Amino acid sequence: AQTVTQSQPEMSVQEAETVTLSCTYDTSESDYYLFWYKQPPSRQMILVIRQEAYKQQNATENRFSVNFQKAAKSFSLKISDSQLGDAAMYFCAYRSARFGNEKLTFGTGTRLTIIP
Amino acid sequence: GAVVSQHPSRVICKSGTSVKIECRSLDFQATTMFWYRQFPKQSLMLMATSNEGSKATYEQGVEKDKFLINHASLTLSTLTVTSAHPEDSSFYICSARDVRTGTGEQYFGPGTRLTVT
Repeated sequence: AQTVTQSQPEMSVQEAETVTLSCTYDTSESDYYLFWYKQPPSRQMILVIRQEAYKQQNATENRFSVNFQKAAKSFSLKISDSQLGDAAMYFCAYRSARFGNEKLTFGTGTRLTIIP
Repeated sequence: GAVVSQHPSRVICKSGTSVKIECRSLDFQATTMFWYRQFPKQSLMLMATSNEGSKATYEQGVEKDKFLINHASLTLSTLTVTSAHPEDSSFYICSARDVRTGTGEQYFGPGTRLTVT
């Protein structure tokens, strides 16, 4: 079974600074997807960024980028130029690429606080 | 973009009664929908996978007779909590898989807060 571990229950960063959230996972599969989701106080889950395991290039979405280390099974999220609206719970998630096994496995989350 | 709605957003019911939660994909068809449960300050735990036209697949430890799932159309799945008890109070979230995307992206509903008194 796949597991996802987020070792930082809480993180804080000064507004406009950069912060990195850690995530490690365990799987025996070679093809899969990794995601970072944001859950603000409204509780709506929002996809931040996605990484396909077969791609070596790290995904980027504006101020959000990942450091995907497949051999180390590590998938960290870097938020640049942090903004007050980035304050939320961040969940790392794993999904198999195998057809018919598309459920998401979530980590325990990291609560990010932005300091004005 | 893909939008998923849930209804109701909040519900309070008495112990022993049943409550139905709807999950709709508004602008895409979803052959597969997922139901999650989230306790305060915890992560999302998958309860079941709902496939259109077939029986749902429940995760280990989830009582299928208590949490009835029906996926009768490509845009609607329902979760019925039967004979609800206070311990069923939680935040329930659905997601729908968009088959149009190569990665089978899942889009989440806004959630339903269930309180059983």
